[in-house]
Order: sequence, then C-alpha cells, then structure tokens
Amino acid sequence: AQKITQTQPGMFVQEKEAVTLDCTYDTSDPSYGLFWYKQPSSGEMIFLIYQGSYDQQNATEGRYSLNFQKARKSANLVISASQLGDSAMYFCAMRGPDLIQGAQKLVFGQGTRLTINP
Amino acid sequence: NAGVTQTPKFRILKIGQSMTLQCAQDMNHNYMYWYRQDPGMGLKLIYYSVGAGITDKGEVPNGYNVSRSTTEDFPLRLELAAPSQTSVYFCASSEQVYSYNEQFFGPGTRLTVL
Repeated sequence: AQKITQTQPGMFVQEKEAVTLDCTYDTSDPSYGLFWYKQPSSGEMIFLIYQGSYDQQNATEGRYSLNFQKARKSANLVISASQLGDSAMYFCAMRGPDLIQGAQKLVFGQGTRLTINP
Repeated sequence: NAGVTQTPKFRILKIGQSMTLQCAQDMNHNYMYWYRQDPGMGLKLIYYSVGAGITDKGEVPNGYNVSRSTTEDFPLRLELAAPSQTSVYFCASSEQVYSYNEQFFGPGTRLTVL
C-alpha cells in the first residue's frame, strides 16, 4: 500500500531564506505521481507542483522545485526566497492505486506547518 | 469559472442528526471526490465518482452516502451524525489527463458534531 511520511511537524524559517520540506514515500507500483499542496490558514488546498515517477527532470514551478530522489524514495519540496505569505501547512501526496475507470485517489502525509519569520 | 464550490462553510450538528454537504464544479470534470481531514492529519478519501450515476467507496466510507445525478453535483450525505464525524470535508474534481490527474479542491466544510 502507498504511504507518505512527512517527518517535520513544524519548521521556522527567516524571510528570504530557502526552505526544504521533507517527504518520503513507499510504493511497490513502478508508475506513480507525487504532489505538493499548500493549505493556508483559510483552509483551502492549493496545488503547487507535480512529479511523475518517469519524469527525467525535477519539476519546477516558479519559486517551487521538487528534489526527486527515486532511489531514496524522497520528494522534497524546495521553496526559494521564502515570503511571509508562504506560511501555511504543506502536504505531500501520492497518486494512489487506480480506482475504477481511471479515478485516482490521493494518499496524503500528515503535513508540515511552515512559519516564515520577518 | 467558479471551480469547485462547497456549501455550507460551517455547520454544527447534534448527535443523530442528518445533513447533506453540497459540492458543485463547473469545469465539466468527470471525476469527483470527497475527502475528510481530521485535526493535524492529512486527507482521507471517503467516496468518489467517475461520472453521473457511478460512485464507489474510498478509504473511510462508513456513515456516509453519495449520489451523482449530474456531472456538476456530488453531494455527501451524513446519516445519524456521530462525534467521530467532526472533521473538515473537502470535495475535489479532476479530469482524465494522460500524465496526471491534478485534483482541484473546494474550500471545505467544517463540521462539528456535539
């Protein structure tokens, strides 16, 4: 069964510093996908970045990049030049096994609460 | 384009009461999902649907029911509410994309059962 582990319950970073949020995963499926979502205090889930297991390069989206180390089964999120607005919960998720007719559930980790200090 | 909308935003129920959480999307997505998020935890799948008239159970379906009569709407029914159902409920939708199915989430419904 798929499992996502986020070992950092909370992180505190100074504004403008880079920050790395850890995520390790476990799966026996050779084809999988990894997502990062941001959940601000308002509660909504905001998609940040995606990495497919067969993607040759690490995914990047603006200030977000994903440090994908397949052999170590890790998919860490790197936020460059952090901003006060980056303070939020961050969830790593894995595309789970296929459900009926192509539906795919997401398996989530417990999240990391990131606080950016001015 | 409103995306995924959910009503109500907040609700307090007494034990044994019933209610329906509404979810609608205007992106013409075939796939819709209901998740719950317990305090300090990630999301867990309750039910999902692959199109009108087709639904299936997820990881934690007990105490819930769903229906999907249209592409747009995917309501979640709670029968005989229990304190264990106190949670934040998220509806999500996605389309079939070859490489991945990004799920778009609604704003959530915070439910308290007392």
